Amino acid sequence: GGIITQTPKFLIGQEGQKLTLKCQQNFNHDTMYWYRQDSGKGLRLIYYSITENDLQKGDLSEGYDASREKKSSFSLTVTSAQKNEMAVFLCASSIWGAYAEQFFGPGTRLTVL
Amino acid sequence: GEKVEQHQSTLSVREGDSAVINCTYTDTASSYFPWYKQEAGKSLHFVIDIRSNVDRKQSQRLTVLLDKKAKRFSLHITATQPEDSAIYFCAAVASSSFSKLVFGQGTSLSVVP
Repeated sequence: GGIITQTPKFLIGQEGQKLTLKCQQNFNHDTMYWYRQDSGKGLRLIYYSITENDLQKGDLSEGYDASREKKSSFSLTVTSAQKNEMAVFLCASSIWGAYAEQFFGPGTRLTVL
Repeated sequence: GEKVEQHQSTLSVREGDSAVINCTYTDTASSYFPWYKQEAGKSLHFVIDIRSNVDRKQSQRLTVLLDKKAKRFSLHITATQPEDSAIYFCAAVASSSFSKLVFGQGTSLSVVP
């Protein structure tokens, strides 16, 4: 088996601040994803990376940057945190693409003051 | 692009009864439909999936039905137990990108004694 770790677990930021969330997986999966989960809105895809040197925008990429540093790690940056923003950011990985099971990390809960 | 809708935001059933969660999708070309479960305070995990070459798939107490004509698929849980209480998300692969999953908004299932 494998595991996905996300750091930090809780992130509190100030309006306008640049914030970075990190994700590591030891499944040796090719594809990694960043989702945002808001209450009542399901999961929305922010960025994904099909393989190590790939980066693709999802439906919610505005206001975010991402970086696939190596096969096992995928970072997400909130470029300018919005006041009163609260959401959970979930990282996931799959062996390759969306036709395979996605394994999710425990999430990073963001609060912007 | 693909849209996936879950019209029931909540569902309550008595322990031992069956539960049915319905989803609709818009993209006729979609061919893969997974379901994920999120228990309270935890992240998502995969429960079952169906591909468009079949219209029914069963795994223990879970059955997924797919109606391609109506662009509808459903999760049926029989003999519900308290541990089935969770938020269930349906999803579909976007035909615009074989690496993207589009999620529904989630249905919160409560199994009451």
